[in-house]
Amino acid sequence: AQRVTQPEKLLSVFKGAPVELKCNYSYSGSPELFWYVQYSRQRLQLLLRHISRESIKGFTADLNKGETSFHLKKPFAQEEDSAMYYCALDSNYQLIWGAGTKLIIKP
Amino acid sequence: DTGVSQDPRHKITKRGQNVTFRCDPISEHNRLYWYRQTLGQGPEFLTYFQNEAQLEKSRLLSDRFSAERPKGSFSTLEIQRTEQGDSAMYLCASRSRDFYYNEQFFGPGTRLTVL
Repeated sequence: AQRVTQPEKLLSVFKGAPVELKCNYSYSGSPELFWYVQYSRQRLQLLLRHISRESIKGFTADLNKGETSFHLKKPFAQEEDSAMYYCALDSNYQLIWGAGTKLIIKP
Repeated sequence: DTGVSQDPRHKITKRGQNVTFRCDPISEHNRLYWYRQTLGQGPEFLTYFQNEAQLEKSRLLSDRFSAERPKGSFSTLEIQRTEQGDSAMYLCASRSRDFYYNEQFFGPGTRLTVL
């Protein structure tokens, strides 16, 4: 079955500390994975996609097919990173979503 | 173009009533998606249009739900005989026809409360 798992509902770290948001997936084909972010009172927006191999707002994510993971990382958290983060898997016609992780950056 | 828009933003209705939501995608996007999101969960896929054709429909979607995209532009999602379990945020997203740019752009959502 196709599935995306985000094991942490809530992650709280201090400003300046490293952040890692975990995402594991289950998919039989070649996965296309995304991280979406939702800031308070804003709509869902794309943060980054694995195919681009880019760094956005200091965040990176590497696809590890062996561990079926796509963890999101940032070396130094900033207060403006506080938001809901969703990992999503592109399955042909739809996105399959994790339940999300709420990231809180403490000052 | 200010992105994907949805109307209304909030809807409160009584159980048993019918409701209809509208989504206006980004104008050049040929693909349109509807999702439902409940508290503490990620979005769940409901249905997908490519132009005016409804190509996929989730098993989650009961017969009380119907969606249309008559001219391949805006879309409507109708829920008949609403139930309290239908209370959720209904999200619309659109996507470019370009295969590489497979980002979905989301609207602000319509929050439905069924009393």
